[in-house]
Amino acid sequence: QQQVKQSPQSLIVQKGGISIINCAYENTAFDYFPWYQQFPGKGPALLIAIRPDVSEKKEGRFTISFNKSAKQFSLHIMDSQPGDSATYFCAASKSYNTDKLIFGTGTRLQVFP
Amino acid sequence: EPEVTQTPSHQVTQMGQEVILRCVPISNHLYFYWYRQILGQKVEFLVSFYNNEISEKSEIFDDQFSVERPDGSNFTLKIRSTKLEDSAMYFCASNLVAGYGYTFGSGTRLTVV
Repeated sequence: QQQVKQSPQSLIVQKGGISIINCAYENTAFDYFPWYQQFPGKGPALLIAIRPDVSEKKEGRFTISFNKSAKQFSLHIMDSQPGDSATYFCAASKSYNTDKLIFGTGTRLQVFP
Repeated sequence: EPEVTQTPSHQVTQMGQEVILRCVPISNHLYFYWYRQILGQKVEFLVSFYNNEISEKSEIFDDQFSVERPDGSNFTLKIRSTKLEDSAMYFCASNLVAGYGYTFGSGTRLTVV
Protein backbone atom coordinates (compact mmCIF):
# COMPACT_ATOMS: atom_id res chain seq x y z
CA GLN A 1 0.00 0.00 0.00
CA GLN A 2 2.97 2.27 0.49
CA GLN A 3 4.30 1.68 -3.02
CA VAL A 4 4.35 4.02 -5.95
CA LYS A 5 4.64 2.19 -9.27
CA GLN A 6 6.36 3.99 -12.12
CA SER A 7 6.61 3.21 -15.82
CA PRO A 8 8.31 2.96 -18.18
CA GLN A 9 11.73 2.11 -16.79
CA SER A 10 13.38 3.84 -19.73
CA LEU A 11 12.18 6.11 -22.51
CA ILE A 12 13.79 7.30 -25.72
CA VAL A 13 12.29 10.35 -27.39
CA GLN A 14 13.33 12.48 -30.31
CA LYS A 15 13.98 16.16 -29.81
CA GLY A 16 10.71 18.07 -30.02
CA GLY A 17 8.61 15.06 -29.06
CA ILE A 18 6.44 14.50 -25.99
CA SER A 19 7.78 12.42 -23.11
CA ILE A 20 5.17 10.76 -20.90
CA ILE A 21 5.95 9.02 -17.62
CA ASN A 22 3.24 7.34 -15.57
CA CYS A 23 2.83 6.58 -11.89
CA ALA A 24 0.20 4.76 -9.89
CA TYR A 25 -0.44 4.49 -6.17
CA GLU A 26 -2.69 2.50 -3.85
CA ASN A 27 -2.82 4.53 -0.66
CA THR A 28 -5.65 7.05 -0.88
CA ALA A 29 -4.16 8.91 2.08
CA PHE A 30 -1.42 10.31 -0.17
CA ASP A 31 -2.08 13.98 -0.79
CA TYR A 32 1.11 15.37 -2.27
CA PHE A 33 2.69 14.17 -5.52
CA PRO A 34 6.00 15.69 -6.60
CA TRP A 35 8.20 14.84 -9.56
CA TYR A 36 11.97 14.93 -9.23
CA GLN A 37 14.62 15.18 -11.93
CA GLN A 38 18.03 13.63 -11.31
CA PHE A 39 21.14 14.11 -13.40
CA PRO A 40 24.09 11.69 -13.02
CA GLY A 41 26.10 12.40 -9.89
CA LYS A 42 23.52 14.83 -8.54
CA GLY A 43 20.72 14.67 -6.03
CA PRO A 44 17.06 14.67 -7.06
CA ALA A 45 15.75 18.18 -7.85
CA LEU A 46 12.09 19.10 -7.42
CA LEU A 47 10.57 19.69 -10.83
CA ILE A 48 6.85 20.13 -10.27
CA ALA A 49 4.26 18.93 -7.76
CA ILE A 50 0.49 18.56 -7.48
CA ARG A 51 -2.16 18.00 -4.83
CA PRO A 52 -5.32 15.98 -5.48
CA ASP A 53 -7.64 18.99 -5.51
CA VAL A 54 -6.59 19.78 -9.10
CA SER A 55 -6.44 17.52 -12.15
CA GLU A 56 -3.61 19.27 -13.95
CA LYS A 57 -0.71 21.55 -13.24
CA LYS A 58 1.55 23.11 -15.84
CA GLU A 59 4.91 24.80 -15.45
CA GLY A 60 6.56 25.72 -18.71
CA ARG A 61 7.05 22.55 -20.77
CA PHE A 62 6.23 20.28 -17.80
CA THR A 63 2.68 19.20 -16.99
CA ILE A 64 1.35 16.86 -14.31
CA SER A 65 -1.97 15.17 -15.04
CA PHE A 66 -3.72 13.71 -12.01
CA ASN A 67 -6.56 11.18 -12.01
CA LYS A 68 -7.79 10.76 -8.45
CA SER A 69 -10.36 8.05 -9.18
CA ALA A 70 -7.79 5.93 -11.02
CA LYS A 71 -5.07 6.74 -8.49
CA GLN A 72 -2.70 7.65 -11.28
CA PHE A 73 -0.63 10.66 -12.19
CA SER A 74 1.69 11.37 -15.05
CA LEU A 75 4.40 13.77 -16.16
CA HIS A 76 4.31 15.17 -19.67
CA ILE A 77 7.35 16.92 -21.09
CA MET A 78 6.41 18.87 -24.18
CA ASP A 79 8.96 19.76 -26.86
CA SER A 80 11.52 17.46 -25.22
CA GLN A 81 15.12 18.65 -25.44
CA PRO A 82 18.46 16.80 -25.12
CA GLY A 83 19.00 18.75 -21.87
CA ASP A 84 15.95 16.96 -20.45
CA SER A 85 17.87 13.67 -20.57
CA ALA A 86 17.89 12.55 -16.94
CA THR A 87 16.21 10.13 -14.56
CA TYR A 88 12.74 11.16 -13.41
CA PHE A 89 11.18 10.00 -10.17
CA CYS A 90 7.59 10.39 -9.10
CA ALA A 91 6.88 10.42 -5.39
CA ALA A 92 4.00 10.65 -2.95
CA SER A 93 3.47 11.57 0.65
CA LYS A 94 0.79 11.98 3.30
CA SER A 95 1.79 15.56 3.89
CA TYR A 96 -0.75 16.21 6.65
CA ASN A 97 1.10 14.01 9.14
CA THR A 98 4.48 13.26 7.60
CA ASP A 99 6.71 14.57 4.88
CA LYS A 100 8.37 11.25 4.18
CA LEU A 101 8.43 10.79 0.43
CA ILE A 102 7.72 7.41 -1.15
CA PHE A 103 9.56 7.33 -4.46
CA GLY A 104 8.80 5.45 -7.64
CA THR A 105 11.48 3.33 -9.25
CA GLY A 106 12.55 6.00 -11.74
CA THR A 107 12.46 6.48 -15.51
CA ARG A 108 15.60 7.09 -17.48
CA LEU A 109 14.76 9.53 -20.27
CA GLN A 110 17.02 9.98 -23.27
CA VAL A 111 16.22 12.69 -25.77
CA PHE A 112 18.06 12.42 -29.06
CA PRO A 113 18.66 15.38 -31.39
CA GLU B 1 20.43 29.62 -5.30
CA PRO B 2 20.89 28.10 -1.81
CA GLU B 3 22.24 24.58 -1.77
CA VAL B 4 22.45 21.59 0.53
CA THR B 5 26.13 20.66 0.75
CA GLN B 6 27.34 17.14 1.46
CA THR B 7 30.83 15.91 2.25
CA PRO B 8 32.64 13.81 1.29
CA SER B 9 31.36 13.14 -2.21
CA HIS B 10 32.76 9.61 -2.06
CA GLN B 11 33.85 7.52 0.91
CA VAL B 12 35.32 4.06 0.90
CA THR B 13 35.34 2.18 4.19
CA GLN B 14 36.06 -1.30 5.43
CA MET B 15 33.24 -3.48 6.68
CA GLY B 16 32.73 -2.99 10.41
CA GLN B 17 34.13 0.53 10.47
CA GLU B 18 32.20 3.59 11.58
CA VAL B 19 31.45 6.33 9.07
CA ILE B 20 30.05 9.81 9.48
CA LEU B 21 28.42 11.50 6.54
CA ARG B 22 28.16 15.26 6.78
CA CYS B 23 25.62 17.71 5.49
CA VAL B 24 25.16 21.46 5.66
CA PRO B 25 21.46 22.16 5.07
CA ILE B 26 20.13 25.45 3.73
CA SER B 27 20.63 27.95 6.52
CA ASN B 28 17.03 28.91 7.39
CA HIS B 29 15.58 25.45 6.92
CA LEU B 30 14.07 23.65 9.89
CA TYR B 31 13.43 20.10 8.67
CA PHE B 32 16.22 17.70 7.80
CA TYR B 33 16.28 14.31 6.15
CA TRP B 34 18.48 11.46 5.06
CA TYR B 35 17.61 9.24 2.12
CA ARG B 36 19.63 6.57 0.38
CA GLN B 37 19.74 5.18 -3.13
CA ILE B 38 21.29 1.80 -3.80
CA LEU B 39 22.83 1.79 -7.28
CA GLY B 40 20.14 1.64 -9.94
CA GLN B 41 17.30 1.51 -7.44
CA LYS B 42 14.79 3.99 -6.09
CA VAL B 43 15.43 6.62 -3.47
CA GLU B 44 14.45 5.41 0.01
CA PHE B 45 13.62 7.38 3.14
CA LEU B 46 15.84 6.83 6.18
CA VAL B 47 15.01 9.50 8.76
CA SER B 48 13.54 12.94 9.32
CA PHE B 49 14.70 15.35 12.01
CA TYR B 50 13.04 18.44 13.42
CA ASN B 51 13.53 20.52 16.54
CA ASN B 52 16.62 18.52 17.51
CA GLU B 53 14.95 15.15 17.52
CA ILE B 54 14.02 12.36 15.13
CA SER B 55 10.45 12.85 13.95
CA GLU B 56 10.23 9.70 11.83
CA LYS B 57 12.47 6.81 10.78
CA SER B 58 12.18 3.87 8.44
CA GLU B 59 12.80 0.17 9.07
CA ILE B 60 16.19 0.62 7.42
CA PHE B 61 17.23 3.08 10.13
CA ASP B 62 18.13 0.54 12.81
CA ASP B 63 20.38 0.84 15.86
CA GLN B 64 23.45 1.04 13.63
CA PHE B 65 22.33 4.45 12.39
CA SER B 66 22.17 7.74 14.25
CA VAL B 67 21.75 11.38 13.32
CA GLU B 68 22.92 14.51 15.00
CA ARG B 69 22.81 18.24 14.55
CA PRO B 70 25.94 19.07 16.57
CA ASP B 71 25.82 22.82 15.90
CA GLY B 72 23.62 25.30 14.09
CA SER B 73 24.80 24.35 10.63
CA ASN B 74 25.77 20.68 10.32
CA PHE B 75 23.59 17.59 10.15
CA THR B 76 25.33 14.23 10.31
CA LEU B 77 24.48 10.59 9.67
CA LYS B 78 26.59 8.03 11.52
CA ILE B 79 26.73 4.35 10.68
CA ARG B 80 28.38 2.56 13.59
CA SER B 81 29.49 -0.71 12.03
CA THR B 82 29.15 -0.68 8.27
CA LYS B 83 27.98 -3.68 6.29
CA LEU B 84 28.46 -4.43 2.61
CA GLU B 85 24.76 -3.74 2.03
CA ASP B 86 25.18 -0.19 3.34
CA SER B 87 26.93 0.67 0.07
CA ALA B 88 24.72 3.29 -1.53
CA MET B 89 24.37 6.95 -2.37
CA TYR B 90 23.25 8.85 0.73
CA PHE B 91 21.33 12.08 0.20
CA CYS B 92 20.74 14.76 2.76
CA ALA B 93 17.77 17.10 2.27
CA SER B 94 16.26 20.06 4.05
CA ASN B 95 13.02 21.98 4.04
CA LEU B 96 11.69 25.21 5.41
CA VAL B 97 8.08 24.09 5.61
CA ALA B 98 6.98 20.51 6.20
CA GLY B 99 4.67 18.88 3.69
CA TYR B 100 6.24 20.26 0.55
CA GLY B 101 9.06 19.18 -1.76
CA TYR B 102 12.47 19.66 -0.30
CA THR B 103 16.00 20.37 -1.49
CA PHE B 104 18.42 17.50 -1.83
CA GLY B 105 22.20 17.64 -1.71
CA SER B 106 24.38 15.99 -4.35
CA GLY B 107 24.97 12.97 -2.18
CA THR B 108 27.80 10.94 -0.67
CA ARG B 109 28.63 7.70 -2.39
CA LEU B 110 29.49 5.20 0.34
CA THR B 111 31.35 2.08 -0.69
CA VAL B 112 31.84 -0.62 1.93
CA VAL B 113 34.55 -3.16 1.07
